[in-house]
Amino acid sequence: SQQGEEDPQALSIQEGENATMNCSYKTSINNLQWYRQNSGRGLVHLILIRSNEREKHSGRLRVTLDTSKKSSSLLITASRAADTASYFCATDNQGGKLIFGQGTELSVKP
Amino acid sequence: DGGITQSPKYLFRKEGQNVTLSCEQNLNHDAMYWYRQDPGQGLRLIYYSQIVNDFQKGDIAEGYSVSREKKESFPLTVTSAQKNPTAFYLCASSIADSETQYFGPGTRLLVL
Repeated sequence: SQQGEEDPQALSIQEGENATMNCSYKTSINNLQWYRQNSGRGLVHLILIRSNEREKHSGRLRVTLDTSKKSSSLLITASRAADTASYFCATDNQGGKLIFGQGTELSVKP
Repeated sequence: DGGITQSPKYLFRKEGQNVTLSCEQNLNHDAMYWYRQDPGQGLRLIYYSQIVNDFQKGDIAEGYSVSREKKESFPLTVTSAQKNPTAFYLCASSIADSETQYFGPGTRLLVL
């Protein structure tokens, strides 16, 4: 059962540009999380935003949550080649489990 | 150094063989999870455990089994009943349900 869906599936930008990824989900959530995965590695947690929050920042990351539209966005500002990775959103289905989307593959060209 | 470890990094399975993937954490987390990731795909939940000696099936539990005898350990066995086991397997832990999950480096399982 898939809850979160990321858009776009792939994104290619130049170093220094901003990258925006979107996530849509279907049912009510307690929180929404974003993770990063470098090729062949485990996932790394980036940020968690709770259902009563609208925006959260962490360094060059900005996450927004619109529960009325059941959507979230992840903005990476001033991207670097090292930001090249796959990015996943994950939502809790209020049953204690996280459900991951299929991811956005970000490529940042130097 | 706190963290979550998985071994081996690569595992080869022969036809009809059961294999066990190891997952250990020293984060003192109650909850542990096993996911399967196929190329270009997201993560699918195989099994999860919220407390020692208890575990629940995820979305794709068929052909897999787990145990949770110790808080630190959550091994996954891929049985011969799993007909398409080639995938990247990720273990994770969290302090509680729905909270931030910490992932291990993964085990890539290949079939000979």
